[in-house]
Amino acid sequence: GENVEQHPSTLSVQEGDSAVIKCTYSDSASNYFPWYKQELGKRPQLIIDIRSNVGEKKDQRIAVTLNKTAKHFSLHITETQPEDSAVYFCAARFSGGYNKLIFGAGTRLAVHP
Amino acid sequence: EAQVTQNPRYLITVTGKKLTVTCSQNMNHEYMSWYRQDPGLGLRQIYYSMNVEVTDKGDVPEGYKVSRKEKRNFPLILESPSPNQTSLYFCASSSQLPGPTSGNTIYFGEGSWLTVV
Repeated sequence: GENVEQHPSTLSVQEGDSAVIKCTYSDSASNYFPWYKQELGKRPQLIIDIRSNVGEKKDQRIAVTLNKTAKHFSLHITETQPEDSAVYFCAARFSGGYNKLIFGAGTRLAVHP
Repeated sequence: EAQVTQNPRYLITVTGKKLTVTCSQNMNHEYMSWYRQDPGLGLRQIYYSMNVEVTDKGDVPEGYKVSRKEKRNFPLILESPSPNQTSLYFCASSSQLPGPTSGNTIYFGEGSWLTVV
């Protein structure tokens, strides 16, 4: 069935280090992969997304890579800062439903000064 | 300002007492949906709506109802709440863009914390 697996569930890094979160998806026809950041007590907010026709996208300190053959995509945060501490969700748009996103279970990232 | 507004933000209720969580968006979006967020399970879709009078079940619809009488509003109804419906609920909306190469930014409301005792 439709599924998105996200790893790790928790990630702790030192300020300035890089953080990588990985997701795999089950539907080979998926064509859109957003990443959401949720700060404590707040709503999820889109931070970056990638469509199936590109392999990598960057926006300042964050980047997302997509490997369609292996059906996985990753979020990369470089030069982490304490304000990057949050829960990050990956998602994949499945072809069977209108704008249906299946979310991963989330990764709690802690950046220590 | 683009907004998705949901109310109430916090609610404690008792088992079996009907409640409604309202959701309204000001972006003229066709698509609206409800999610619940539980620890370790991420965001799971409850119901979604393609447009006025068009609704369909998501992944966890049991115990919930929705309606879409107007484009901007998409209330979530719990006819007989039970403790397993204690959760954080998010309403979301997005425009309906055609084609597999078009992205779909989903805007979330601020969330409604619901506790059923």
